[in-house]
Amino acid sequence: EAEVAQSPRYKITEKSQAVAFWCDPISGHATLYWYRQILGQGPELLVQFQDESVVDDSQLPKDRFSAERLKGVDSTLKIQPAELGDSAMYLCASSLGATQGASYEQYFGPGTRLTVT
Amino acid sequence: GESVGLHLPTLSVQEGDNSIINCAYSNSASDYFIWYKQESGKGPQFIIDIRSNMDKRQGQRVTVLLNKTVKHLSLQIAATQPGDSAVYFCAETTTDSWGKLQFGAGTQVVVTP
Repeated sequence: EAEVAQSPRYKITEKSQAVAFWCDPISGHATLYWYRQILGQGPELLVQFQDESVVDDSQLPKDRFSAERLKGVDSTLKIQPAELGDSAMYLCASSLGATQGASYEQYFGPGTRLTVT
Repeated sequence: GESVGLHLPTLSVQEGDNSIINCAYSNSASDYFIWYKQESGKGPQFIIDIRSNMDKRQGQRVTVLLNKTVKHLSLQIAATQPGDSAVYFCAETTTDSWGKLQFGAGTQVVVTP
């Protein structure tokens, strides 16, 4: 069964350092999402891509966070500099494509657990 | 702002009993709802979805009910098993929002023997 891949699974970094997360969506999925999940809460959307284009980054703290999906396939989320409050689970999800209407089902990867010290 | 929320943070259920997880939503424009299950250390897993033109949908051991009048969503799990222990999230979206999901805070389901 196809899965969303994420790496690393765990990351510990010191504040003010840079950190990057990688996501490889399910093959053929045009829409890719990055979420942040604080323990005990639901995931919060950070950025959404349709192919290589950003369609929603309204919740992305753009002073320190950046995301790219250059070839419309895999994606990287970067934080620079990291702050203590960035400690969370970062989840990637993909779907066939919201514009197709029929499938809003999002498939999630295992996530990257970030700890900022 | 408008939000999705859950009534109970923790639900303890005896193995073999039925579970009911509730969710209230406030965005009357939402027309698509999904239930996700998240086990410890894993990403959310799709359980079942329902569109606003339906009031009930059944899957394998799960049923989702939608009451648009009171903006309420519920997930029923029949014959709850130890493997059902997890956090359950409801999520909503509107079909004109590029599939952007708004998640609730989650309900922890604990299945006891």
